[in-house]
Amino acid sequence: GAVVSQHPSWVICKSGTSVKIECRSLDFQATTMFWYRQFPKQSLMLMATSNEGSKATYEQGVEKDKFLINHASLTLSTLTVTSAHPEDSSFYICSARKTSGSTYEQYFGPGTRLTVT
Amino acid sequence: GQQVMQIPQYQHVQEGEDFTTYCNSSTTLSNIQWYKQRPGGHPVFLIQLVKSGEVKKQKRLTFQFGEAKKNSSLHITATQTTDVGTYFCGHNFNKFYFGSGTKLNVKP
Repeated sequence: GAVVSQHPSWVICKSGTSVKIECRSLDFQATTMFWYRQFPKQSLMLMATSNEGSKATYEQGVEKDKFLINHASLTLSTLTVTSAHPEDSSFYICSARKTSGSTYEQYFGPGTRLTVT
Repeated sequence: GQQVMQIPQYQHVQEGEDFTTYCNSSTTLSNIQWYKQRPGGHPVFLIQLVKSGEVKKQKRLTFQFGEAKKNSSLHITATQTTDVGTYFCGHNFNKFYFGSGTKLNVKP
């Protein structure tokens, strides 16, 4: 168990357009999901925490109006990159938190590679 | 976010050699988690440590949580080419932050 899917796996878009990325927990409910961005040869940087039924909390330096997050159900969170620019090109990964007793485990989606031309 | 530093940044070993990566925090951690990310892949959960001084083993991998709960290590005995990847530690509280990662390359 504990499978997280992400769609699309890769996307190429033109500068100025918006892109929506979906993150789904397939076999468990996740009240909390996280969105990360990873540039080449770098670590995963937390962008925001997505909480089901409430507003996402964003890390310092991440524009909430540019990276729209919606966590409408216990199995789905979406990240929309609005008015994308080439510097937004990156690998975006979501994770879903699964609670097992007092343990929190993170299960990651396969990632979405975004290229903005 | 809470800073968790990892050293070394890169490690190249000959197959069969041992490998260790260290994770350090300036503050006490409630827990530490370790992940492995293969090239082109996504992070995969390896283990969580919670108790002070805790040691856990998974085959050739040994994970340790420091007595002060400010540092942790991952040791791989007799590395194999399948161990190639980047190893991240991370801290899970209300949010989950990754360490900077250690990229391991194993020469056959």
